[in-house]
Formats: sequence, C-alpha cells, structure tokens
Amino acid sequence: AQSVAQPEDQVNVAEGNPLTVKCTYSVSGNPYLFWYVQYPNRGLQFLLKYITGDNLVKGSYGFEAEFNKSQTSFHLKKPSALVSDSALYFCAVRSINAGNMLTFGGGTRLMVKP
Amino acid sequence: DSGVTQTPKHLITATGQRVTLRCSPRSGDLSVYWYQQSLDQGLQFLIQYYNGEERAKGNILERFSAQQFPDLHSELNLSSLELGDSALYFCASSVGIGPERMNTEAFFGQGTRLTVV
Repeated sequence: AQSVAQPEDQVNVAEGNPLTVKCTYSVSGNPYLFWYVQYPNRGLQFLLKYITGDNLVKGSYGFEAEFNKSQTSFHLKKPSALVSDSALYFCAVRSINAGNMLTFGGGTRLMVKP
Repeated sequence: DSGVTQTPKHLITATGQRVTLRCSPRSGDLSVYWYQQSLDQGLQFLIQYYNGEERAKGNILERFSAQQFPDLHSELNLSSLELGDSALYFCASSVGIGPERMNTEAFFGQGTRLTVV
C-alpha cells in the first residue's frame, strides 16, 4: 500500500525567510508526487507535481519541490515566504501499482508571520 | 475555479437522516474521487469512480454509498447520519486511469460542509 507522511503539523516562518514543508512517501514502483494548498473554507488547489526528469520542480506562486529518490522525499520549498502563503499544504502520491488512487498526507499548516 | 462543481455548499441535518451530495466533474474528466476531511484532519479517501464504474474503495462506511451517472456526475449518499459524520466532503476529478494518466493532477471542488446536529 502507498502512503504519505508529513511529519510536521505546523511550520512557522517569518515573512521573507525561506520555507520548507516536508513530505516523505512510500510506494511500490515509481511515484508520481503532487503538492496541493488549501485556503480556509476552500477546496484544494494544485501547486506542482513530479513525474520524471529534473528533481527540482517549479510550480505556482513561486513554490518549488525537490524530489529525492534515495530519501523517498518530496519537500516543498519557497525562497521567500509571504504572509499570504499561510494555508494548509498537502502532499499526495500516486503509483501504477495502486491504480489511480491519490493518497494524501495528513497536511501541514504553514503560518507566515509579518 | 477548478471546474469541479459541488452542491450544496452547506448542509445541516439531524442525526439519523439521509443526505445526498452532488458533484459535477470538469468537462472531459472521467474519473471522480470522494474524500472526507474532518476537523483538523487530513483527507480520507472514500471512493473512486471511472466512467460509471467503481474503481477503488477506501475507508468508506457501509452507511455511505456513491454512484456515477452516464453524464459523469456523481452522488455521495450518506444515511443514518451520526454526529461524527460532520465534515467537509470533497469531490475531485481527473482525466482518467491507466499508466498514461498517472501524471495528471486531480482537480477539487469547493466541498460540501455537512453538519449533523
């Protein structure tokens, strides 16, 4: 079975500082990895995805993520955080061996303080 | 706007009642997923349909059922409701299934907030 872990329930960072939201995964076979963001009372919005190729993936709103196969990680990063980045972030994985099922981590709340 | 439409946005009902949540996927998407998000919890996968057929089932209670219709919209039926069923229910859609579709992201609706009193 595939699974995703987001080890931090909350990440606090000051505006202008770099941020990292951690994600590790477990799958049988090659992973397809996704990051989503959820603002209060809203649905999930797609940020970026890793399929194959370059380990550094760039996405929406200045976010990027680094795929590390040996550490089975896909951490979300941003060089300079904005207060408006404060939201709930979800990492998700899909693999051929698990059909089309999209499995999500527990979510990490990002708080960016002015 | 993701293109996925969920109705109603809010629903308040009493314990023991039955409700139906509706989802219209993005145009062209054949696969529909249902997720439950309880307060301060992550997304729990309930069930997936592809072109009218059930394809995967997660931790869905027997009191819950779903279907996908020929026009591809989907409904999630929740019966004998309990206080603990209060949650945000999300529908998501994606293009399809199969190895060639693994790289496609799913698009989420705004959710239906169910409150059981």
